[in-house]
Amino acid sequence: SQTIHQWPATLVQPVGSPLSLECTVEGTSNPNLYWYRQAAGRGLQLLFYSVGIGQISSEVPQNLSASRPQDRQFILSSKKLLLSDSGFYLCAWSPARREQFFGPGTRLTVL
Amino acid sequence: RKEVEQDPGPFNVPEGATVAFNCTYSNSASQSFFWYRQDCRKEPKLLMSVYSSGNEDGRFTAQLNRASQYISLLIRDSKLSDSATYLCVVNAGNTGKLIFGQGTTLQVKP
Repeated sequence: SQTIHQWPATLVQPVGSPLSLECTVEGTSNPNLYWYRQAAGRGLQLLFYSVGIGQISSEVPQNLSASRPQDRQFILSSKKLLLSDSGFYLCAWSPARREQFFGPGTRLTVL
Repeated sequence: RKEVEQDPGPFNVPEGATVAFNCTYSNSASQSFFWYRQDCRKEPKLLMSVYSSGNEDGRFTAQLNRASQYISLLIRDSKLSDSATYLCVVNAGNTGKLIFGQGTTLQVKP
């Protein structure tokens, strides 16, 4: 069966510091991968998605970036965090343009 | 107009009640429809897909009306454990992207 991992689970970072969140999927190959952010009390906002290694589509202009160095690894990064980057970051995978399955998420607080 | 609209609630119902959630979507090219459940401070989890003919999974029934671009979820015999936020989700046409509604919050009271 497929599983999706995210780490860390919780992160507190100062404004201006860098960020690296990692997501890995097991038990499948060539999945579509997604990064979402959910601000407190808000809906899910799609940040990036990837259909293959090195292929990244950005949905929202911002100070975040994503990379997919391996088939089942998806990384979300920032060089300098802003207060507004606080939120619940969710990675998801999809077998092929259908339902998506989410990882446990990373709760980021920028102070 | 939002791409997927839901009544945010909250819906407060007693145990055993039947409750219905509605959702409308704007993209007529959408082909896939889902209901997800999200517990407080947790990730969304797939509850059920929604098929054109309607489908049932235990106490849960989903309906789709393509002409009206309307999706519904019916929960019968509500349990305390059904308390959560229910997200209506549609795909963005022929892409791999999903559009999530803001969610409807359900509180089942003893």
